[in-house]
Amino acid sequence: GAVVSQHPSWVICKSGTSVKIECRSLDFQATTMFWYRQFPKQSLMLMATSNEGSKATYEQGVEKDKFLINHASLTLSTLTVTSAHPEDSSFYICRAGGGLTGELFFGEGSRLTVL
Amino acid sequence: GQQLNQSPQSMFIQEGEDVSMNCTSSSIFNTWLWYKQDPGEGPVLLIALYKAGELTSNGRLTAQFGITRKDSFLNISASIPSDVGIYFCAGGSSNTGKLIFGQGTTLQVKP
Repeated sequence: GAVVSQHPSWVICKSGTSVKIECRSLDFQATTMFWYRQFPKQSLMLMATSNEGSKATYEQGVEKDKFLINHASLTLSTLTVTSAHPEDSSFYICRAGGGLTGELFFGEGSRLTVL
Repeated sequence: GQQLNQSPQSMFIQEGEDVSMNCTSSSIFNTWLWYKQDPGEGPVLLIALYKAGELTSNGRLTAQFGITRKDSFLNISASIPSDVGIYFCAGGSSNTGKLIFGQGTTLQVKP
């Protein structure tokens, strides 16, 4: 079964609303979680790196005030898309682990559609 | 954001044929990973490479970590219909813990 779970799997919201996506590590403690965004037929683009108990580090061009990341515990990180707009519609995927290895697992992804 | 150069972009092959795809980068990576992604799902790790020159197999899949640490290839032998999907390479840095992804190779297999 999945060791990294994302919720919700998909969400549709109206423009201007905020949406929260959760990423949970099910049977291990994730000191670091990475959030990616993937537009249709495109690659995964790293948005930010979150470390438990500290502020997230955002990639260049990613608005930290728009994409709020919280990593309050070793098993949960959340990504909140604030005041979502249609151009924020995308597939958001988290990756959780305790270090750099291929055994870091991806979540199942969350598809956001903003109307 | 930074990306790797992955090629080919897409392939349409006959069942039973071998497939080869590769990634190149201007940067050195400590780790090369190959993933397969099915529609609407997260990537699934196929092969992880940790050492320059390393050649690793996983069933019908073989991947190599280039000597220069700036490239990697993935071969799939005797393709079957369930190999259909999008394959991504990813380069990892031990300094940052980040993974940078290639643009993906879409594979279609004709029975």
